[in-house]
Amino acid sequence: AQSVTQLGSHVSVSEGALVLLRCNYSSSVPPYLFWYVQYPNQGLQLLLKYTSAATLVKGINGFEAEFKKSETSFHLTKPSAHMSDAAEYFCAVSLHGGSQGNLIFGKGTKLSVKP
Amino acid sequence: EAQVTQNPRYLITVTGKKLTVTCSQNMNHEYMSWYRQDPGLGLRQIYYSMNVEVTDKGDVPEGYKVSRKEKRNFPLILESPSPNQTSLYFCASKLELQGHYEQYFGPGTRLTVT
Repeated sequence: AQSVTQLGSHVSVSEGALVLLRCNYSSSVPPYLFWYVQYPNQGLQLLLKYTSAATLVKGINGFEAEFKKSETSFHLTKPSAHMSDAAEYFCAVSLHGGSQGNLIFGKGTKLSVKP
Repeated sequence: EAQVTQNPRYLITVTGKKLTVTCSQNMNHEYMSWYRQDPGLGLRQIYYSMNVEVTDKGDVPEGYKVSRKEKRNFPLILESPSPNQTSLYFCASKLELQGHYEQYFGPGTRLTVT
């Protein structure tokens, strides 16, 4: 069965510093991987997705993630944090279509950005 | 505008009083799903539907019902709500088509059961 582990329920960085949010997955077949962001009191918005094309995926708001099969990881990065990046971030995995397309979410990482 | 809508956005109710949270999407998506979000647990799937009249249990279906009579609507029904169903609920939808993998989420419904 697939699963997702997000290391660190809270991450705090200074404005302008590197953002690194960690995600490791478990899957018996090549997965599709997603990062979603949830701003306070809002729904989930897709940041980026990996669907077996390029391993380095660029998303919105300057975020990117790299799929590393050997490490079963899909860490999210941004070179320079902005105050507006403060939010909760969720990594998710799914297999292919049909019922296997159900998303399995990690428990989330709350990002704080200090001025 | 392509979107998933949920109503109500906020609801406070009492134990045992039946309620329905509606979900509607205007993107002609086959797949729809309900999740609940609880602090420290992330999002967990309650029920999903692959198409009209096709529904199946997710990871935490106990205490919930769903129906899918029309493609655009996927209501979540709590026949007898209990305090442990106090949570933030999200509806989502996606195309069941090769190359379309991401789910689109509604704004959420915050439910409090006293």
